[in-house]
Formats: sequence, structure tokens, C-alpha cells
Amino acid sequence: DAGVIQSPRHEVTEMGQEVTLRCKPISGHNSLFWYRQTMMRGLELLIYFNNNVPIDDSGMPEDRFSAKMPNASFSTLKIQPSEPRDSAVYFCASSFTNNSPLHFGNGTRLTVT
Amino acid sequence: GQQLNQSPQSMFIQEGEDVSMNCTSSSIFNTWLWYKQDPGEGPVLLIALYKAGELTSNGRLTAQFGITRKDSFLNISASIPSDVGIYFCAGIDRAGNKLTFGGGTRVLVKP
Repeated sequence: DAGVIQSPRHEVTEMGQEVTLRCKPISGHNSLFWYRQTMMRGLELLIYFNNNVPIDDSGMPEDRFSAKMPNASFSTLKIQPSEPRDSAVYFCASSFTNNSPLHFGNGTRLTVT
Repeated sequence: GQQLNQSPQSMFIQEGEDVSMNCTSSSIFNTWLWYKQDPGEGPVLLIALYKAGELTSNGRLTAQFGITRKDSFLNISASIPSDVGIYFCAGIDRAGNKLTFGGGTRVLVKP
């Protein structure tokens, strides 16, 4: 089992640039989650999908953030335009159902200068 | 919204010591989970608890689902240096909604 795969592992970009984070969930998992982790706020849920459909995006901080899941094996989180306060580690996680244990990827560390 | 209060926020361990941490909530949860996060990696599931009163072990780790369904604890026995990291509790409410995470317990080695 390859686990949840995220790319890139690190992203450094300048303010105003578009950033796209990618995630491949574990095969057979029907739920996918995007989290953001910072020292100040800990782990925050941004959005989650069930069967490729966005269910709860109340954690998405602003319209600059958007997420898609075009198929069961791929999801993206896009920030446009990026700002320095978006700097954080972004985790993707998947689970068999939305109330079964989550399996996390190794995250993308985003730095916006 | 729901909140999980995890304590302590940080702790120092000496090799061989037993370690305890706990999580409390103002609302009832149907599932409690404990994760560990190492630097540069994502949280990894350690133990999952599904029934009130359940006591589950995973090697040197033992976790319990509180009878009130509003708390859980994690014990690490005979700690070793690789036990350092951040431990997170997480709960799933009765409606089966999204997972709520505690703020984490950072376990460090005594200098």
C-alpha cells in the first residue's frame, strides 16, 4: 500500500503567485480531506470530499482557496493569489468513509515570501 | 464548534519512564483516535477506539475510551528516545461528521 501521496513536498513561491498542491489518496478510500497545520492554529480542516463530491468547505479560509477532486484518485488544492500568511504545512488525508480513521500524506510545506 | 482539550501541551521524558496524556471534550464522541506525528511527516494512526470503556493496546501504547464518551487517555510505557514527537487525539462525533483534533502533546527528551 503506497499510502497517501502528496506533491510537491516543499513549495517556495512569491506573494501573488498561484500555488497548486496535489494529492493521490489510498486506492479504495472514498473520503478525502485537506488540512492545514501551523504552530498557532494546529491542524485545521479546510475541506473534505465524499465520493469526489465536496461535502464541507467551511474551513476554506477565503475565496483565494479552491479544491477539486476530478476523480477518485486525484485531488488538488489551489491558492490564487498566494499570500505570506498562507505559509503552512498542508496535509491531504483519506479514509474508507468520512467517519473512519484518516490516513495522512507527508504534507506539502508551503512558504510564501 | 466542538473542541478537544489535550493535556499536557508538552512534556519531557526520560528513557524508561511511563508517559500519560489525555483528551477531554464538552461533547460526546463515538470514536476516539490517537495519532503520532514525527518531524517532516504526517500524523500516523496509533490506536482507534470505538466503544465506551474500551481499552486497547498497541505494543507499549495503551489507550482508553472514557465511560462518559467525553474523554480518552494514552499511556506509553517504558519510553524510548524514538517516542519523541507530537501526539494528537481526535474524535468523531455521534453524527459521524468530520474529525476534530486536539492541540497535540509534544513529547521531548529530558536533557
